[in-house]
Amino acid sequence: NAGVTQTPKFQVLKTGQSMTLQCAQDMNHNSMYWYRQDPGMGLRLIYYSASEGTTDKGEVPNGYNVSRLNKREFSLRLESAAPSQTSVYFCASSYGTDTYNEQFFGPGTRLTVL
Amino acid sequence: ELKVEQNPLFLSMQEGKNYTIYCNYSTTSDRLYWYRQDPGKSLESLFVLLSNGAVKQEGRLMASLDTKARLSTLHITAAVHDLSATYFCAVANDMRFGAGTRLTVKP
Repeated sequence: NAGVTQTPKFQVLKTGQSMTLQCAQDMNHNSMYWYRQDPGMGLRLIYYSASEGTTDKGEVPNGYNVSRLNKREFSLRLESAAPSQTSVYFCASSYGTDTYNEQFFGPGTRLTVL
Repeated sequence: ELKVEQNPLFLSMQEGKNYTIYCNYSTTSDRLYWYRQDPGKSLESLFVLLSNGAVKQEGRLMASLDTKARLSTLHITAAVHDLSATYFCAVANDMRFGAGTRLTVKP
C-alpha cells in the first residue's frame, strides 16, 4: 500500500496564478484533510471531508477551495495564489467520519508563491 | 476557541538524560495524539490517547493523558540521538495542533 500520496512535491507560483494540489489514499479511509505548516508552527487545518460528497472548513480556509472527487481523492485549489500562502501542505486521511480518529499523513507539498 | 500549548518549544538534551514535554489544551477533549516529525519529512503517529488516565509506552517514550487537568505529557527516558525530531501534540476537537517541541539530543 502506498498510504497517502501527494503531487506535486514542490511548486513555485507567481502571485495571482492558480494551481491544484492532489491527494490520494489507498487505505479505504472515509475522512480526508488538508493542512498547512508554516515555520515554527504546528499544522493548521484548512478543510476536511468526513465522507465522499461532503466538505467542511477548518481553521484557515480563506483563499482555498477543495473537492472530494471520490473516496480516494481530495484536492486543494488555490484560485489566486498570494505570498502568504507560501507553506508546506500536508494531506491526511483517517478511518472514521469525524476528526477524532488517528490520521495518516502524506509526504507534503512545498509551495512557494513569489 | 481551542488553544493547544506545548512547552518547551525547544529542548536540547544530553544523551542518557530524562525530560518531559507538556501539552496543555483549553477545552474538554478525551482524545489526544502525539506525532513525530523529522526535518523535511511528514508526520508519523506515535501515540493515540483515548481516555482519561491513558498511558502508552513505546521504547524510550511514554505518553499520558489527564483530561481533567487538560494536560498530556510525553516523557523521554535515557534520551538517545535518534530521538532528535520535532514532537507535536494534537487535540481531537477540530484537530488542533500544538506548535511543536524541537528536541535535539547531544552526545
